[in-house]
Amino acid sequence: QTVVTQEPSLTVSPGGTVTLTCASSTGAVTSGSYPNWFQQKPGQAPRSLIYSASNKHSWTPARFSGSLLGGKATLTLSGVQPEDEADYYCLLFFGGIQGVFGGGTKLTVL
Amino acid sequence: QLQLQESGPGLVKPSETLSLTCTVSGGSISSSTHYWGWIRQPPGKGLEWIGNIYYSGSTYYNPSLKSRVIISVDTSKNQFSLKVSSVTAADTAVYYCARLAAGGTLNFDYWGQGTLVTVSS
Repeated sequence: QTVVTQEPSLTVSPGGTVTLTCASSTGAVTSGSYPNWFQQKPGQAPRSLIYSASNKHSWTPARFSGSLLGGKATLTLSGVQPEDEADYYCLLFFGGIQGVFGGGTKLTVL
Repeated sequence: QLQLQESGPGLVKPSETLSLTCTVSGGSISSSTHYWGWIRQPPGKGLEWIGNIYYSGSTYYNPSLKSRVIISVDTSKNQFSLKVSSVTAADTAVYYCARLAAGGTLNFDYWGQGTLVTVSS
């Protein structure tokens, strides 16, 4: 079974920049896996931030950006705000529309 | 504004079948560019994709759950449902339903609020 790997935790200072990564056990992450990024705060449902690696929703704050870099999907937060403290999950699709979530990254803003 | 709402029992006994329904409002479940999915999250743990269904009834399941899961759709009620058989404590989780946009991309763009299902005698 495919495993999707994320950093378990990261810490960033307010106003700083941080990059989260998403790797696949099958090899390089490509656009064909349609990488998704979700933000989840305690007690809330996940919220989609990025789809197809780099596309934003109308509700996605401008400081969030996604890309494919070095064989991984990445989510970069620039000018981090205290309210960005949350869990972040990536999702990759394989074999059509079968999805595999990463284990999540707990982002602390400190 | 599209909304999804999960409903079903919050407590299920071990070895029995968990049944949940997701009601879609503000949009049609018969959309040709969307699938509908179930995702779960055990307390304090990460997200796990369970499966997706198209309005025609085509289904796609997580291989690790495939033998115990059935997802179905009722277009007349704008609902889709999840059944997980032979449940154990490991199936205790918040269960989310979500819309999967599939027109040139794949993205779970709208989610329900989630419902906690506890497996316990």
